[in-house]
Amino acid sequence: GESVGLHLPTLSVQEGDNSIINCAYSNSASDYFIWYKQESGKGPQFIIDIRSNMDKRQGQRVTVLLNKTVKHLSLQIAATQPGDSAVYFCAENIRRDDKIIFGKGTRLHILP
Amino acid sequence: EAQVTQNPRYLITVTGKKLTVTCSQNMNHEYMSWYRQDPGLGLRQIYYSMNVEVTDKGDVPEGYKVSRKEKRNFPLILESPSPNQTSLYFCASSNGPRSSYEQYFGPGTRLTVT
Repeated sequence: GESVGLHLPTLSVQEGDNSIINCAYSNSASDYFIWYKQESGKGPQFIIDIRSNMDKRQGQRVTVLLNKTVKHLSLQIAATQPGDSAVYFCAENIRRDDKIIFGKGTRLHILP
Repeated sequence: EAQVTQNPRYLITVTGKKLTVTCSQNMNHEYMSWYRQDPGLGLRQIYYSMNVEVTDKGDVPEGYKVSRKEKRNFPLILESPSPNQTSLYFCASSNGPRSSYEQYFGPGTRLTVT
């Protein structure tokens, strides 16, 4: 079906290490993907996006990788910091309409 | 300051009593959207609007109405709220749903229907 999901509900990472958050999508018609960060008590905040004609996109300390062959999306956070603690959502937009579909989220926990 | 505002932030009401949650943005965005967030289900899109007088159903529109009479405002209306509409609601706006048009989210409205 048209859904976006995540492999792990909770990810614990040592401060300073790199974090990798994964996301699987099922609709091959999706051609735009977004990662959001949601801190406790706040609304989601845009992190980075990628179109389906790209495999990789980099931002400040973040990289999104898209593997269309296996319908997999990942968010890499370099040198994870305490401020990175949050729930991370991937979302997709399907080419034929204007809906945005969110995954269920992964909680990133930073270990001191 | 660019922002999306929602009111009220918290609301406790009873079944069947009509309510409206307001949403306003000051960025002249064309695209506005309402989501509900429930534990274990993530964010689900209720309705969205591509522009004034243009609204479309998202994935969970049942029990909700919206209107877009002005570009900046996108109220969410619950004509007859039920307990299963107890949730955390977010309004969002952007220049479009795709391709580098990042969505800005409001602070959320926590609704409890008893």
